[in-house]
Amino acid sequence: QKEVEQNSGPLSVPEGAIASLNCTYSDRGSQSFFWYRQYSGKSPELIMSIYSNGDKEDGRFTAQLNKASQYVSLLIRDSQPSDSATYLCAVASGGSYIPTFGRGTSLIVHP
Amino acid sequence: EAGVAQSPRYKIIEKRQSVAFWCNPISGHATLYWYQQILGQGPKLLIQFQNNGVVDDSQLPKDRFSAERLKGVDSTLKIQPAKLEDSAVYLCASSFLGADTEAFFGQGTRLTVV
Repeated sequence: QKEVEQNSGPLSVPEGAIASLNCTYSDRGSQSFFWYRQYSGKSPELIMSIYSNGDKEDGRFTAQLNKASQYVSLLIRDSQPSDSATYLCAVASGGSYIPTFGRGTSLIVHP
Repeated sequence: EAGVAQSPRYKIIEKRQSVAFWCNPISGHATLYWYQQILGQGPKLLIQFQNNGVVDDSQLPKDRFSAERLKGVDSTLKIQPAKLEDSAVYLCASSFLGADTEAFFGQGTRLTVV
């Protein structure tokens, strides 16, 4: 059973701070990693994708991947109240590339 | 570019009734997914199509759920008969190639079984 683990939170940070969201996965053959944001009552929307070890930056978002330790993280700099949402980590394994989602981490950015 | 279209947005049915959901993926996207998302949980993959062939349906409760993707475009997901535990949001997503490329989600269908 391929698993993707996330702390359900909520993670509460003040406005302007850095929010750090973490995800671990069980399948060492995983090839593709995604972070989605899901506002309450809405569908997931893609924020970042990462495929190789290291950091990938896009605006205020940085995804970090460490395949040896089997974790992927998302950093949100200068957090805004509008960033308050559930962040879902998704992992696609090698071979048939079946995507698996974690249960998500709830982020609350308070003014 | 139009997004993934789903209908209906909401559905309320009684247990043991049947229901069907429809999805039209982004034009040109070969891969189509149906996910079930229960409140407070992450999306769970039910079935993945590549064009009109099934890539994976290992988590689809085949005694009551069925899905098809005729002509490799639109897809329907059916539940018959529905159970209370089927209450969830059913999300359709599509991607250009396989799951190693970004998937885009539709707005979902919120199903309530009473």
